[in-house]
Amino acid sequence: DAKTTQPPSMDCAEGRAANLPCNHSTISGNEYVYWYRQIHSQGPQYIIHGLKNNETNEMASLIITEDRKSSTLILPHATLRDTAVYYCIVSNTGANSKLTFGKGITLSVRP
Amino acid sequence: SQTIHQWPATLVQPVGSPLSLECTVEGTSNPNLYWYRQAAGRGLQLLFYSVGIGQISSEVPQNLSASRPQDRQFILSSKKLLLSDSGFYLCAWRGPGPYEQYFGPGTRLTVT
Repeated sequence: DAKTTQPPSMDCAEGRAANLPCNHSTISGNEYVYWYRQIHSQGPQYIIHGLKNNETNEMASLIITEDRKSSTLILPHATLRDTAVYYCIVSNTGANSKLTFGKGITLSVRP
Repeated sequence: SQTIHQWPATLVQPVGSPLSLECTVEGTSNPNLYWYRQAAGRGLQLLFYSVGIGQISSEVPQNLSASRPQDRQFILSSKKLLLSDSGFYLCAWRGPGPYEQYFGPGTRLTVT
């Protein structure tokens, strides 16, 4: 699987948008970008995934650059409960596909 | 809807004792199943995955083993625990349709 790089941490104010960047310059054509988050002492939670088009669901939006070498996860109105480690992962979708979790980015939402 | 269960939630075991952690999934059939471990302050490490009954792939050589005796049951075992086996063990499943993985609540293992 392709490697991703994320800043180690960032913070944002409650109610503001949180924009979490991710670089994946060696992504292959058949690999998707996935985002998960892990709140302290819980299992990771799936957020969103995309191939090349921007995606939006009830949790977040995913913006993927045209060359697919980077992406941004957007939490439109961050709340204190969004404080977590966010993982950006690239993976294909074959039967034997696996997720490789890096260190992620720690998002701290401040009141 | 699909749910994933893990037990026990917490476990304290002495070095050299055996281990058995169980994971079951409800509401889906023929899922891919995964075992991960997260050591204190570290990232998630994939230990084993299974694409079907009796089919186990190991990602990291160690004193742990996994088995899948039934379609929706995944077991992580050890004959003799080491101190380094302490950590947060997570089971996950992936269905044939969705590409994402769903994680269980985890088992926190402390080896003393």
